Amino acid sequence: AAGVIQSPRHLIKEKRETATLKCYPIPRHDTVYWYQQGPGQDPQFLISFYEKMQSDKGSIPDRFSAQQFSDYHSELNMSSLELGDSALYFCASSLVLDLETQYFGPGTRLLVL
Amino acid sequence: SQQGEEDPQALSIQEGENATMNCSYKTSINNLQWYRQNSGRGLVHLILIRSNEREKHSGRLRVTLDTSKKSSSLLITASRAADTASYFCATADTGRRALTFGSGTRLQVQP
Repeated sequence: AAGVIQSPRHLIKEKRETATLKCYPIPRHDTVYWYQQGPGQDPQFLISFYEKMQSDKGSIPDRFSAQQFSDYHSELNMSSLELGDSALYFCASSLVLDLETQYFGPGTRLLVL
Repeated sequence: SQQGEEDPQALSIQEGENATMNCSYKTSINNLQWYRQNSGRGLVHLILIRSNEREKHSGRLRVTLDTSKKSSSLLITASRAADTASYFCATADTGRRALTFGSGTRLQVQP
């Protein structure tokens, strides 16, 4: 079965640079969530989209923005990167008829030097 | 802010033994879910229990939910070395879909 796809899987950036992470949800899933997991920490919810509109917002820094496109894929844009942004970034998707279960992608590991 | 607290933080057992992990949360929830994460990898959904359910089974997994105590437990029976991973509980607050994760339990199953 198709799973959530994230790209890139690994990314190395310098401080103050920008990064764009991409997420391709499971086909027919209409809701996308972004989570951040720092080293040794639990995942923290950042933001979610339903039908291309922001549906919920968590602890997403103002330096980050995200959107969902017409094909339902989503991008997380991160600017003015800081060392503390080094983390695993997960995307998850769900279907509105089955809102309870979120399916997670493999994550993008971002390292900021 | 962190919702769920899990204990123990780390657990080491022998293959064949049972492993029990506990999770507590603070708010009203729609459901509680358990996820597994192998080191540095993605989160795999294990089981979901709704707020009106008290117990649920899936294979070697047994989950209980006590909404009066705002707590849940995950029992893995007859553990295997392949069960070695971190286990997180996650809650969806009433009216929300976003998950709030607990701090996780690192389970080590010795062969």
